[in-house]
Amino acid sequence: GNSVTQMEGPVTLSEEAFLTINCTYTATGYPSLFWYVQYPGEGLQLLLKATKADDKGSNKGFEATYRKETTSFHLEKGSVQVSDSAVYFCALSDRLDSNYQLIWGAGTKLIIKP
Amino acid sequence: DTGVSQDPRHKITKRGQNVTFRCDPISEHNRLYWYRQTLGQGPEFLTYFQNEAQLEKSRLLSDRFSAERPKGSFSTLEIQRTEQGDSAMYLCASSQSGGLLNTGELFFGEGSRLTVL
Repeated sequence: GNSVTQMEGPVTLSEEAFLTINCTYTATGYPSLFWYVQYPGEGLQLLLKATKADDKGSNKGFEATYRKETTSFHLEKGSVQVSDSAVYFCALSDRLDSNYQLIWGAGTKLIIKP
Repeated sequence: DTGVSQDPRHKITKRGQNVTFRCDPISEHNRLYWYRQTLGQGPEFLTYFQNEAQLEKSRLLSDRFSAERPKGSFSTLEIQRTEQGDSAMYLCASSQSGGLLNTGELFFGEGSRLTVL
């Protein structure tokens, strides 16, 4: 079956540090991959996505590359800000699954200290 | 605003009472999903609709929970005889199915937070 595994949090960094949040997946079909972000007290927002191998999703300084050979979709940012503090969820959607349900990782809480 | 909207944003109720949440999806989206999220956890799938048809329900969804989407537009999620364990954020999402351009992305509302005392 399909699954997503992401690194456990919390991850605590100082402002302007480099960020990596690891995400690996297993899928039987041809998944699209997503990173969603949830700020305190808010709903889920799509941060970035990639729909096929070697695609790079990017938004707000965050990037993630769809690596089929390592079944990974790691989230990176070169210089984090206090405002990036949130919970980040990696997810996949298998286009061979007619339900198009998202399969979620457990989430990684990111804390950025000034 | 043409995003997914949910109402109410917050609901506090006493154990044993019934509550209903409403979700208005993005107008051209034919799929609508309900998820539940508790503190520190990822979203748990509850149910989803394609147009007005409820196509799947999670085994997590007890018979106290019922969801409808009568005209294939807005949806309601009702919880009867609420229990303290029902306290959570209830998230609604929508998407458009079909077509090569469909990436499977879901668009989420802000959520409805339920507190059962």
